[in-house]
Amino acid sequence: EAGVAQSPRYKIIEKRQSVAFWCNPISGHATLYWYQQILGQGPKLLIQFQNNGVVDDSQLPKDRFSAERLKGVDSTLKIQPAKLEDSAVYLCASSLAGGRNIQYFGAGTRLSVL
Amino acid sequence: SQQGEEDPQALSIQEGENATMNCSYKTSINNLQWYRQNSGRGLVHLILIRSNEREKHSGRLRVTLDTSKKSSSLLITASRAADTASYFCATDVRQGGKLIFGQGTELSVKP
Repeated sequence: EAGVAQSPRYKIIEKRQSVAFWCNPISGHATLYWYQQILGQGPKLLIQFQNNGVVDDSQLPKDRFSAERLKGVDSTLKIQPAKLEDSAVYLCASSLAGGRNIQYFGAGTRLSVL
Repeated sequence: SQQGEEDPQALSIQEGENATMNCSYKTSINNLQWYRQNSGRGLVHLILIRSNEREKHSGRLRVTLDTSKKSSSLLITASRAADTASYFCATDVRQGGKLIFGQGTELSVKP
């Protein structure tokens, strides 16, 4: 079974530039999550999708972050414009709908904003 | 906001020793999970304990849960150098909802 795929693995941009991350969840997983993990901290949920609908985006900075999951499979997370404090690892995870909510994570995208 | 707090923040032991990590949380939970993260990698699920369970075992892992104290512990027995990683507890407050992660414990196992 293929795992959660994320790209790119690394990205370096300057502040005020835009960046986009891509995630392909495990086949059949209806729920998809984007987390932000700042160095030395645990992951913080940015947005949760159930199929192509948003379940929770309460911690997404909507003035600069956006995410979509068209067709209920792949997802993209965009930051526009980026700030220095956005430097972090962005993790995508997926899980089966319902059940015990065990999440499967991708390797993440490490973003450095200079 | 972070739900869980983990203790200690860092732990260094010798191979063969046991490692114990603790997690405290603030609100009622549906279940509590532990994840491992190797450097530069994503998180890997280790074990899940439901709110009505007190202890769970999986291989060299033992998890306890005390809902009255809102705390959990993860014990890794007979540690190996390959266990070197960060360990996170995560609480599932409502079924199907988000997981709230703690700050993590960085474990270093020296050969």
